[in-house]
Formats: sequence, C-alpha cells, structure tokens
Amino acid sequence: QQQVKQSPQSLIVQKGGIPIINCAYENTAFDYFPWYQQFPGKGPALLIAIRPDVSEKKEGRFTISFNKSAKQFSLHIMDSQPGDSATYFCAASINNDMRFGAGTRLTVKP
Amino acid sequence: DSGVTQTPKHLITATGQRVTLRCSPRSGDLSVYWYQQSLDQGLQFLIQYYNGEERAKGNILERFSAQQFPDLHSELNLSSLELGDSALYFCASSRAGSDTQYFGPGTRLTVL
Repeated sequence: QQQVKQSPQSLIVQKGGIPIINCAYENTAFDYFPWYQQFPGKGPALLIAIRPDVSEKKEGRFTISFNKSAKQFSLHIMDSQPGDSATYFCAASINNDMRFGAGTRLTVKP
Repeated sequence: DSGVTQTPKHLITATGQRVTLRCSPRSGDLSVYWYQQSLDQGLQFLIQYYNGEERAKGNILERFSAQQFPDLHSELNLSSLELGDSALYFCASSRAGSDTQYFGPGTRLTVL
C-alpha cells in the first residue's frame, strides 16, 4: 500500500527555473514531512522538513508548501542550478515510521 | 558526510548464499533503520532497532533478519538470496526523540 504518492517521476528544467515536486499522503496521523536529496551512488541526505502545524517553510533556495486539508505538500527549488540535479524523495512519518514517495529525478540544464 | 557508516560498499554473491551488512550509527544515536532501495520499488522500510530492541517492522522478508548490538552497531542478515534481492541497502540512524533520520552511503548488493 503506497501511503505517499509523489509526482512527477522526472522533471527537466533550465538553470534558474523553479522545479516543483508534489506529494500526497493518506494517513492523517503523519506528523513529520521531510524531503531528501540523493545523488547517484550516495545515500539520501535530509534537505528540509516540515510539521503539519506550519503551511510553509523556507531554507535557502528550498521551500516546502504544506496543505493539511488537502493532505498534500510540495518542494519548490528557487533559482535552480545544474548542481541541484539529483533524485528527490518526499516522506511522511509518525513515531519514526517513515514512508517514502517513489522519487523524482530532477535534471537542471545549464 | 552523515556520520553513518556502512560496510561493505559493494557485495557480489550468488543465489542461495547468505550475506551480512554492517552499519554503525552516528555517535549518540540510539535508533537504527534499514531500508532497501531497488529501481522499481523506491525506498522500502525494512526494520528499526532502538537501543538493542526491535522497535518496528516494515516489509522485511522472513529470509532477512537484523540485530543491534550493545555498542549500537547493527547488522542485516540476508539469506537464501534470490536475484530479486539485488538492491541498495541503506542504514539510517536518529537520536532519541528526534524524527530526523541520517542515512549512510549504502551497500550495493548484486546477486548473480
């Protein structure tokens, strides 16, 4: 049972563009929503995370938007750079039981 | 560098064999998690240990088992290996009371 649905599967943008990756969850008990960035051959690295009592969180060029009523959250990358090319995973967690989305492969073209 | 270490980096073995993957959590982290990442399945949670005790179980096969030792390092044992077990296996760790999980570099298992 897929509890976190992520889209799109892949995304190509030009340098400076604003890629947006969306996730939807089913279990309203989830209380922690992180985004991970993974480069080829590396482990996932925590990028930014949000809790459901906040509608938006910004860290540097990365922003999470959270819509509790719609059970959706998204990652926006401002002024994207070729170095941002990676696979991005959203996740939802309760009591450290974390469920991941299927991932989005982002390519930022120079 | 997350501070989580995993060995070996690569492992190639044959069907029917048994392997052991090792993970050392970040200093001070009591929880260890194991995940399997395959091309068509994404990141699948396998099992969690907290201070030596099994805390949660995910989609872990009966052929797989894990344990966490008194020094908090963990091992994932995979037996009667099948071709479909070929994947990246990640270990993650977290502090007590924290939701944030830090991932290791992974072990790439290839079953021939």
